Amino acid sequence: DAGVTQSPTHLIKTRGQQVTLRCSPKSGHDTVSWYQQALGQGPQFIFQYYEEEERQRGNFPDRFSGHQFPNYSSELNVNALLLGDSALYLCASGYRGQSPLHFGNGTRLTVT
Amino acid sequence: DQQVKQNSPSLSVQEGRISILNCDYTNSMFDYFLWYKKYPAEGPTFLISISSIKDKNEDGRFTVFLNKSAKHLSLHIVPSQPGDSAVYFCAASWGTGTASKLTFGTGTRLQVTL
Repeated sequence: DAGVTQSPTHLIKTRGQQVTLRCSPKSGHDTVSWYQQALGQGPQFIFQYYEEEERQRGNFPDRFSGHQFPNYSSELNVNALLLGDSALYLCASGYRGQSPLHFGNGTRLTVT
Repeated sequence: DQQVKQNSPSLSVQEGRISILNCDYTNSMFDYFLWYKKYPAEGPTFLISISSIKDKNEDGRFTVFLNKSAKHLSLHIVPSQPGDSAVYFCAASWGTGTASKLTFGTGTRLQVTL
């Protein structure tokens, strides 16, 4: 039973560029959430997708957008990258938004 | 505004002893609390949770206590084992269907020594 899988594991981008991160939820899960974890901080909620729609959003600018596909997988897109976007991006899945969430191992994004 | 706080960045405990990790919250709307463990290069792994209608939940070596009046919860690990060495995050949520929106603390690094 595959857990939450994320790709790529590491990524280096330049300021101003755009990036797409991918996530496949745990088998049986239909809700995907994205979190940003800066160094020395706890994960911060970006948004949640359920039934291919953004259902909740945290305090992140519109440069952060996402998508959920019919197979429940999801993408996180970040436009106009800033140095401060460097972080570990975690994807978490659940069933109908219920806890507990299961997390992937994350994508480490470095913006130079 | 840090709504979930873990004031101890690190904790060192001898193997076999009790580890107590603490967490405070400020938002009285929170009604569900979780503890996650994180090893380096891995995502957080769910450990144990507690609903606000309870004051204690136990699962093997792990027990979570909730004091709603003090807005405080703690995780007890007894006995502590070297494999428990990791960063522990406290998280909270509220409202039906909003369980995906977890508010995390900044974590406590637990080191269990031999």
